[in-house]
Amino acid sequence: ELKVEQNPLFLSMQEGKNYTIYCNYSTTSDRLYWYRQDPGKSLESLFVLLSNGAVKQEGRLMASLDTKARLSTLHITAAVHDLSATYFCAVVYSENSGGSNYKLTFGKGTLLTVNP
Amino acid sequence: DTEVTQTPKHLVMGMTNKKSLKCEQHMGHRAMYWYKQKAKKPPELMFVYSYEKLSINESVPSRFSPECPNSSLLNLHLHALQPEDSALYLCASSHLGNTIYFGEGSWLTVV
Repeated sequence: ELKVEQNPLFLSMQEGKNYTIYCNYSTTSDRLYWYRQDPGKSLESLFVLLSNGAVKQEGRLMASLDTKARLSTLHITAAVHDLSATYFCAVVYSENSGGSNYKLTFGKGTLLTVNP
Repeated sequence: DTEVTQTPKHLVMGMTNKKSLKCEQHMGHRAMYWYKQKAKKPPELMFVYSYEKLSINESVPSRFSPECPNSSLLNLHLHALQPEDSALYLCASSHLGNTIYFGEGSWLTVV
C-alpha cells in the first residue's frame, strides 16, 4: 500500500521568509502532484512532476522531485499572505501493469499561514 | 477547456432520502473518479471508472452507488446516508496516466 507523508503539517511563516514542505512516499511512482486548497474550495493543481530531477516554478513556489529518494519538496520564497492555504502532495500509483487503475494518494496536507 | 463540472454545489438531505451527485467533463478523458473529503483531512478515493467501467471500489458502503452512463458523465447515487457521510465530494477526470483535474466539489450535509 502506498503511503505518502508530508511535513510539516502546520507551518506558520512570516512574510518575506523562505520555507520548504517535504513529501515522502513509499512506493515507486512516476508522477507526483502538488495541489493547493483554500478554505471551502476545491483543489487547485499547482505542479505535476513527471521524472527524476524535475523542477518546476510558478511565482514564489518551486517544486522538485527525487524519485530515487522518493522525495518531493515545495519551496516557498519570500512568502506573502496570499499563499496562506493548505498544500497537498499526491502520488499516482497504478495497481496493474496496464496502467488503467490509477490511484491518487494524498498526503495529510500542510496548513500554511503567512503572517505579516 | 480543463473544466470538470459538478452539480449540485450544495446538498442537504435526510437519512431516508435518495439523491444524486452529478459530474460532467468534455475533455475526452476516459478515467473519472469520486473522492470524499472530510474537514481538515485529505481527499480519499472512493471509485475509479476507466472507459466507463468501474475499475476501483475502495470498499465504499453500498449506500453510495456510482454510475457512469457515458464517457462524459459520472453520477454518485446516495441512499440512506448517515450524518457521518457529510463531506465534500470531489469528482475528477484524466486521460489515463495524465494530469488529474478536479471539479469544484459538492458539499453534502446529511441531517
